[in-house]
Amino acid sequence: DIQMTQSPSTLSASVGDRVTITCRASQNVNMWLAWYQQMPGIAPRLLISKASSLESGVPSRFSGSGSETEFTLTINSLQPDDFATYYCQQYDIYPWTFGQGTKVEI
Amino acid sequence: QVLLVQSGTEVKQPGASVQVSCKASGYEFVSYGISWVRQAPGQGLEWMGWVSPYNDDTNFAQKFHGRLTMTTDTSTSTVYMNLRSLRSDDTAVYYCARGHSYFAYWGQGTLVTVSS
Repeated sequence: DIQMTQSPSTLSASVGDRVTITCRASQNVNMWLAWYQQMPGIAPRLLISKASSLESGVPSRFSGSGSETEFTLTINSLQPDDFATYYCQQYDIYPWTFGQGTKVEI
Repeated sequence: QVLLVQSGTEVKQPGASVQVSCKASGYEFVSYGISWVRQAPGQGLEWMGWVSPYNDDTNFAQKFHGRLTMTTDTSTSTVYMNLRSLRSDDTAVYYCARGHSYFAYWGQGTLVTVSS
């Protein structure tokens, strides 16, 4: 199975900060990577698919980049609603696998 | 709007089976696969597999082979996930999600607790 490793596991930030989360794949997943945001007790929300395609309704302060084995999620000007856990997911090779999550906290 | 509504909380004994349903609305049911993703308490997300309501094709993660079944009922736009031989480490919130690759729409989640 493809291992997805996110760093950092926890990130402390303040409102207005620019934050970057990295996701590394144990093998090439091309552009087939998604990012999700999850609030406690709620289903994940899709932010980005195909590495950099922003989902409809997702604020433009979120952006994704990367390909093959290294990907990043950037949040520009962190807002109070952005304090959550973020997951990457590869969907190139079965079984689909998720990163372990990055918790963005105040 | 697209909605996925799941069945309620389950408590099962080790060795038992559980069936969780996911009723879809707001789109053409047979046009999208339904996947299942679970999340153990305090843990990350784990993809289990998906089923196509169009032709009942399935693809499961190897670790669930032999224990997992997914079926569809096109008359009610409902997908069923059945997990057998439950163990304590199957305790998790189980989510259905629309799509077979990435997931833009999710159910509300169903807590399944496995305990004697």
